[in-house]
Amino acid sequence: QVQLVESGGDLVKTGGSLRLSCAASGFIFSDYYMSWIRQAPGKGLEWVSYISSGGSSIYYSDSVKGRFTISRDNAKNSLYLQMNSLRAEDTAVYYCARSGRSPDYWGQGTLVTVSS
Amino acid sequence: DVVMTQSPLSLPVTLGQPASISCRSNQSLIHSDGNTYLNWFQQRPGQSPRRLIYKVSNRDSGVPDRFSGSGSGTDFTLKISRVEAEDVGVYYCMQGTRWLWTFGQGTKVEIK
Repeated sequence: QVQLVESGGDLVKTGGSLRLSCAASGFIFSDYYMSWIRQAPGKGLEWVSYISSGGSSIYYSDSVKGRFTISRDNAKNSLYLQMNSLRAEDTAVYYCARSGRSPDYWGQGTLVTVSS
Repeated sequence: DVVMTQSPLSLPVTLGQPASISCRSNQSLIHSDGNTYLNWFQQRPGQSPRRLIYKVSNRDSGVPDRFSGSGSGTDFTLKISRVEAEDVGVYYCMQGTRWLWTFGQGTKVEIK
């Protein structure tokens, strides 16, 4: 069965960096586009970034563009999100999701807390 | 960005009764490939979101047939024919037609 397991969430100071990882299993990872979607505490869902199956097409929301970098390693069945210059408003649960035009499988999420 | 507006934001429902959630977009969600990428998600308390419906009206595997999606263009609806206790949670519509893909604000379904 499809499994997505995120890791790397932590408490980090404003301006700091963090790298999230997502380990995928149960499907052919290299065939699928993948996304990061976040949810601030008590709030709704926000798309963060999206990467094509081979990594050649990448999109970011304006709120993270220039600070976050999405990447993938198809040999390791893994998705990553490098987050730099973190702000308080980046505090959220970050979900990894298998995506086409719609995320059909989601991980359990990893919590990132940014505080001064 | 495409703005997705859901109503109502809170929906108290009696068990066994129907429920309906509206989702409107400020732009047509018809893609140049002819598809309409409007999706519905359920997020139960303490859980990750789960997709229920994709491309307006297609139910995902394992989704009970009491859930149905309809609509076209800019106006969409999720219906639950008879609400059960396990349906409590927040429901989100989401458009995947134009980047930045966007979600509605969410509709909280609770039992009266």
